[in-house]
Formats: sequence, C-alpha cells, structure tokens
Amino acid sequence: DSGVTQTPKHLITATGQRVTLRCSPRSGDLSVYWYQQSLDQGLQFLIQYYNGEERAKGNILERFSAQQFPDLHSELNLSSLELGDSALYFCASSADSGRSYNEQFFGPGTRLTVL
Amino acid sequence: SQQGEEDPQALSIQEGENATMNCSYKTSINNLQWYRQNSGRGLVHLILIRSNEREKHSGRLRVTLDTSKKSSSLLITASRAADTASYFCATISSGYSTLTFGKGTMLLVSP
Repeated sequence: DSGVTQTPKHLITATGQRVTLRCSPRSGDLSVYWYQQSLDQGLQFLIQYYNGEERAKGNILERFSAQQFPDLHSELNLSSLELGDSALYFCASSADSGRSYNEQFFGPGTRLTVL
Repeated sequence: SQQGEEDPQALSIQEGENATMNCSYKTSINNLQWYRQNSGRGLVHLILIRSNEREKHSGRLRVTLDTSKKSSSLLITASRAADTASYFCATISSGYSTLTFGKGTMLLVSP
C-alpha cells in the first residue's frame, strides 16, 4: 500500500460526459501528479500540483483540468469525453521540496471506460 | 512523448535465473527511477539512482547508470514467479520535476 488513494476504482460512462477523479496523497506529500496510461500512448504525464499551485503541465488536453485543494487532495476533471479517453488514470505523490526530486508513490489508479 | 526505451520489450525466464532489462534515454537527467507494475495495477517504486551515481543495490535488484551513454540497466537476481510484471524506467530531466516513462519491459518468470 503506497498510502496514495484514488476514487473511484472503475468508472464507465458515455461519450460527451464529464467525470471527476479524486486523489489523496500520502500524508505530508505536497506534490501531486496525474498520469494517463493507455495501450497506444503508454504512461503519459498530465499535470503536477505542488502545495495547491500548478507546477508543470504535460500532455494534458484542454478538455481536462485539475486542481489541488488546501487539504492537498486533488481532482482531475475530464469533460466532453471521447472513446480515446478510455485509460487508466494514476495519481502519484512525492515529498519534492522543489529542489530535490524524489521517488513518486502511485495510487492504484482509476480505470475509465468511455462507451 | 516517451523519453526512454526499454529493451527487451518482453523477457521470459525460469525461476532462479537472472533478468536484465535495459533503458536508454535522450536528455540530461537529474535521476532515473525504476518502477514495477503488476497487470493493470498501480506502479511500485523499486529504486532511484541519481545522475552522479553509477551503481545502486536494493535486495535482489542492481541498477547501473551510464550517463555518457544515456543508459541504465536493471538486474533482478535469482528471479521468482512473483517478479512477473512490467518494469518501467522513468527519468527526471535536469531542470524539470516530472517523470518521463519508457514503454516498459514485460517480464515473465515461470516456475
């Protein structure tokens, strides 16, 4: 158990819909990362938040957005869903101080299926 | 986009044998990390090696890093059936804080 929790575990929805994925980082970790894993694209970094502020952006679509709340949990919002958005979405957290880059601890993931 | 490429893509061995996986990357890095993923589940961090280190050990794992060749290898000694998983290398590039993953090596260890 990494200490990172994600809900829900599975999500099945239809094209055009909007969903919210939730992540709680390990106690004390200020950095939260979101990744998408699909068969064709592999593991892709989407976005990072550090102590409530967006720190880095990767291959995140404009239809996707995220935020990190004062209690450090994070949500990833996916809207206008397409079939190609079906994937495993992982959240990870780390104790990055902003200067040293440490290992990331991954949650179990949310499997999103868009029908 | 993928930073690294693991080699081989798939590896099948018998219990007790050693497994070696290689990873190549493209840009200067701060550190390189190896992760394991059991089928469809979360990633588990295995080991981190910093750019100024050449070799690191953790239990049955041995990681080497050659920054001049932009490559790393992961050796699992005396493999077990429970080692069956996908193994990913991931890099943190200099000046950045985010991981870039390779495509992974699927390891199958047969009893």
